[in-house]
Amino acid sequence: EVQLVESGGGLVQPGGSLRLSCAASGLTLSDFWMSWVRQAPGKRLEWVANIKEDGNEKYHVDSVKGRFTISRDNAKNSLYLQMNSLRVEDTAVYYCVRGHLGFNYWGQGTLVTVSS
Amino acid sequence: ETVMTQSPATLSVSPGERATLSCRASQSVSTNLAWYQQKPGQAPRLLIYHASTRDTGIPARFSGSGSGTEFTLTISSLQSEDFAVYYCQQYNNWPPVTFGQGTRLEMK
Repeated sequence: EVQLVESGGGLVQPGGSLRLSCAASGLTLSDFWMSWVRQAPGKRLEWVANIKEDGNEKYHVDSVKGRFTISRDNAKNSLYLQMNSLRVEDTAVYYCVRGHLGFNYWGQGTLVTVSS
Repeated sequence: ETVMTQSPATLSVSPGERATLSCRASQSVSTNLAWYQQKPGQAPRLLIYHASTRDTGIPARFSGSGSGTEFTLTISSLQSEDFAVYYCQQYNNWPPVTFGQGTRLEMK
């Protein structure tokens, strides 16, 4: 059974940093593109970033470029999202997702709240 | 960026009836479109990809159609567990992949 388990969310002040992690089981992470998708309270889903199987190709949505960085450690079967210079508008549930086009496996999400 | 627009925002339908949800893209996405179902407090679940292909384990009452800029998700006979929010998503013109704002399907 495929499981994606996110961690690292929490309450942070504007301008602060957080690092989200996603531990994968039941799949070999190195076989797949992986993505982060977020959902602000009561809002639509928003793709944040994705990364190729070998980590050599990655993309970020414009609103987080220069602030967030997606990375992966295939040896640890893990995906990460380093989030710096956080803003109030980054408040959302962040999902770790398998794939980069259609998303057929999702984690349960981790809540990031940016507030003073 | 391709903007996805869903209609209606809320759809009220009785159990056993048919529900038809629409999704429009601001530019052609060919058939590179997916539909997701999301229930409160849960992650989205993939229902349909390539506009009309059901994902593994998705009941046959869910069907998708369309190409280019106009798409439809039809649920042929609504069950109680189908009341949820539905999102469309294009993955033709990426990055970024983009989602619609959702249609809330509620029980009449």
